[in-house]
Amino acid sequence: IVMTQSPLSMSVTPGEAASISCRSSQSLLHSNGNNYLDWYVQKPGQSPQLVIYVASSRASGVPDRFSGSGSGTDFTLKISRVEAEDVGVYYCMESLQTPWAFGQGTRVEIK
Amino acid sequence: EAQLVESGGDLVQPGGSLRLSCTASGFTFSSYYMHWVRQAPGEGLVWVSQIKGDGSTIRYADPVQGRFTISRDNAKNTLYLQMDSLRVEDTAIYYCARDPQSDLTLDLWGQGTLVTVSS
Repeated sequence: IVMTQSPLSMSVTPGEAASISCRSSQSLLHSNGNNYLDWYVQKPGQSPQLVIYVASSRASGVPDRFSGSGSGTDFTLKISRVEAEDVGVYYCMESLQTPWAFGQGTRVEIK
Repeated sequence: EAQLVESGGDLVQPGGSLRLSCTASGFTFSSYYMHWVRQAPGEGLVWVSQIKGDGSTIRYADPVQGRFTISRDNAKNTLYLQMDSLRVEDTAIYYCARDPQSDLTLDLWGQGTLVTVSS
């Protein structure tokens, strides 16, 4: 499975919304109804951390300004009101079948 | 608090070997799948390998199949990655990550350990 993200970089004014798209080359919808698509963020100098799992569930401790949507092959991560602490590289990842595949990453900067 | 700590990264010559370790604490290690993910300098994330909680199921990415071996010692709460026949392109930070299995996700990551393959 090949994961394709867009855009690859973005510069956002604090308080504005941001959206990242992720497309997979195959459907990520399992027969159990889950879409096995995660979102991770790697903040500067840190390890990656989970933001969204099974396409739309927020990980523990993630602010509610983050939301995930989509099904099948098209997915979106939205940040409703970007804050300075949200800078980093965001990756989507499929976990439907091995080898699990990451997108190229989207760099989010603050204007 | 749940934590993963990697160790074992080093500078090694092409063709050499290295063993990475990932020590877990703060959770029931044997109940989780564990994974290795790597990141070459300035590049993105690449999945490397996974192992089931009891060690019975193992998967590898094609570039490391036959050269890397993932294993675990649940009595020591430790995950391993034996890396043989290392190539320059294996140079990367190697992260271990926890997978709760129920949602097939990586919900806890270590800080990473740097492997440099160079002559």
